[in-house]
Amino acid sequence: DGGITQSPKYLFRKEGQNVTLSCEQNLNHDAMYWYRQDPGQGLRLIYYSQIVNDFQKGDIAEGYSVSREKKESFPLTVTSAQKNPTAFYLCASSSTGGGSGNTIYFGEGSWLTVV
Amino acid sequence: AQSVTQLDSHVSVSEGTPVLLRCNYSSSYSPSLFWYVQHPNKGLQLLLKYTSAATLVKGINGFEAEFKKSETSFHLTKPSAHMSDAAEYFCVVSDPGGFQKLVFGTGTRLLVSP
Repeated sequence: DGGITQSPKYLFRKEGQNVTLSCEQNLNHDAMYWYRQDPGQGLRLIYYSQIVNDFQKGDIAEGYSVSREKKESFPLTVTSAQKNPTAFYLCASSSTGGGSGNTIYFGEGSWLTVV
Repeated sequence: AQSVTQLDSHVSVSEGTPVLLRCNYSSSYSPSLFWYVQHPNKGLQLLLKYTSAATLVKGINGFEAEFKKSETSFHLTKPSAHMSDAAEYFCVVSDPGGFQKLVFGTGTRLLVSP
């Protein structure tokens, strides 16, 4: 079945550590996204990528980094510079072209907790 | 700049009664509008979307929404609530053009009692 796979589902980070969240899609989508969700708030865009080897900062990119070496993969690294990383992280993808209205599909999310 | 406002943070209904989740948007363009549903600790699932075709949009699980440009609204409705509808619902607006950048509302939690 086609879809988006995020791993791990739950991750604990110690102060000062970098951690990487994995996101893989087999939908053949060109565009991929990372969102952060905090309780009682909507989703906020961290980074997005429209094509391989290219990505742009979203609204809250500070303290995060990404890479897009393969079409199907878009890992997110939460660095020690991110002061409040505890949140639910959602990866998403969509096809591009044809203007707006393309459906964005989401993975099941990853919980990151700082201990 | 685009924005979306979900007018209720929580809505409580009884099973079998109608559901109304309210959403107002602001956009300088002709927007695309979406409703997504999120069950606890899960990703978001698309319920329905409006992309400048018919103003009454039918989605999955009996949900529908009506685009009203004059009122800048895109309210979500369902004639009869089911226990499985209890979840968080997000109204979303996107820019027209080649790239899909979404702006999310803060969500409405739907509670369904027996």
